[in-house]
Amino acid sequence: GNSVTQMEGPVTLSEEAFLTINCTYTATGYPSLFWYVQYPGEGLQLLLKATKADDKGSNKGFEATYRKETTSFHLEKGSVQVSDSAVYFCALGDYDGTGKLIFGQGTTLQVKP
Amino acid sequence: DTEVTQTPKHLVMGMTNKKSLKCEQHMGHRAMYWYKQKAKKPPELMFVYSYEKLSINESVPSRFSPECPNSSLLNLHLHALQPEDSALYLCASSQVTGGLFEQYFGPGTRLTVT
Repeated sequence: GNSVTQMEGPVTLSEEAFLTINCTYTATGYPSLFWYVQYPGEGLQLLLKATKADDKGSNKGFEATYRKETTSFHLEKGSVQVSDSAVYFCALGDYDGTGKLIFGQGTTLQVKP
Repeated sequence: DTEVTQTPKHLVMGMTNKKSLKCEQHMGHRAMYWYKQKAKKPPELMFVYSYEKLSINESVPSRFSPECPNSSLLNLHLHALQPEDSALYLCASSQVTGGLFEQYFGPGTRLTVT
């Protein structure tokens, strides 16, 4: 079945450091890929998405490129801020029409001043 | 506007109580979802409604009863819950079902069962 694997956290960085959170997937067909962010005590917010190979999603300084050849969708940001501290979920949109999202386990990011 | 609202924000209930969670969206979306999220875990899908009809029930116990009165509203009726049902309950919506369409989540209801 389809699955998503994320790097284990927590990830601790200093402010202005470069961020990479790895995400790889296993899927049949051509799924859409998403990054969601969850701030403490809140629901999930869509951060970015990509729907086909080589698409680059970007938002609020975050970027991720849909790499079919490596089945990856790594999240990057050039300079993190304390306010980026949150849990980040990589997700795959199942292409069977059901609307199911397959989530990775989540990666906690803590940014220190 | 990409807002999904949920009420109440917090709920404490005993194992014999009956309560309901409410979710609302005004984006014209025709798919709505209920998820359960335990601490430090990803959300787990419970139910999917497509065009106001229940399309997926992920083998959820009958003490959880979903309802979709119209295309903007989604309810989750709770009865005789167990302490292990304590969690964050998230509602989401998307344009229609299908992996191509992003889901928009509400802020959640934090449920504690005593």
